[in-house]
Amino acid sequence: DTAVSQTPKYLVTQMGNDKSIKCEQNLGHDTMYWYKQDSKKFLKIMFSYNNKELIINETVPNRFSPKSPDKAHLNLHINSLELGDSAVYFCASSQGHRDSYFGPGTRLTVT
Amino acid sequence: SQELEQSPQSLIVQEGKNLTINCTSSKTLYGLYWYKQKYGEGLIFLMMLQKGGEEKSHEKITAKLDEKKQQSSLHITASQPSHAGIYLCGADLNDYKLSFGAGTTVTVRA
Repeated sequence: DTAVSQTPKYLVTQMGNDKSIKCEQNLGHDTMYWYKQDSKKFLKIMFSYNNKELIINETVPNRFSPKSPDKAHLNLHINSLELGDSAVYFCASSQGHRDSYFGPGTRLTVT
Repeated sequence: SQELEQSPQSLIVQEGKNLTINCTSSKTLYGLYWYKQKYGEGLIFLMMLQKGGEEKSHEKITAKLDEKKQQSSLHITASQPSHAGIYLCGADLNDYKLSFGAGTTVTVRA
């Protein structure tokens, strides 16, 4: 059973398009995160979502919007994609002060 | 990740004592990142190592990458309550994305 799953694993799209990445966790965790892995493979937090409270990182462009239809899902919508959005995006979940479980990552390529 | 093993899973230390966390891979580590998790805020970057034998320190935390570049350790000297938390290693295995250890929960008792 996959604890944290992301779809798609790879996404290639053109500039200006709108796309979504889906994340689901079956661990019953109350907190979910989106991270962006930059070109140097550093992880940067984008959003965290805890029991319907969204904590937004101010450095994230407003073209990025997380949406959580329920506690087990936190999807990432990206509008008007730009070349600089190309990266690997990781979803993660955690319960309280416990370990984070990471999804497999989504490699987004914007052409 | 089965490619990366982090140990121990959890540990409890008395305040003032030292502790060590290990991250081991069967593959060459092209980069090793240590993070500390802050609840609700995600991962906080601590240190990154790339060269075999490299060692970096920040305040009372020291991270090392062995000569063979397959194992890294994170060492905390004279632990304090502020060191409590979850530590996670992330590895660059020459893939396009990081691979993660399972995390180590550190409890510091006064």
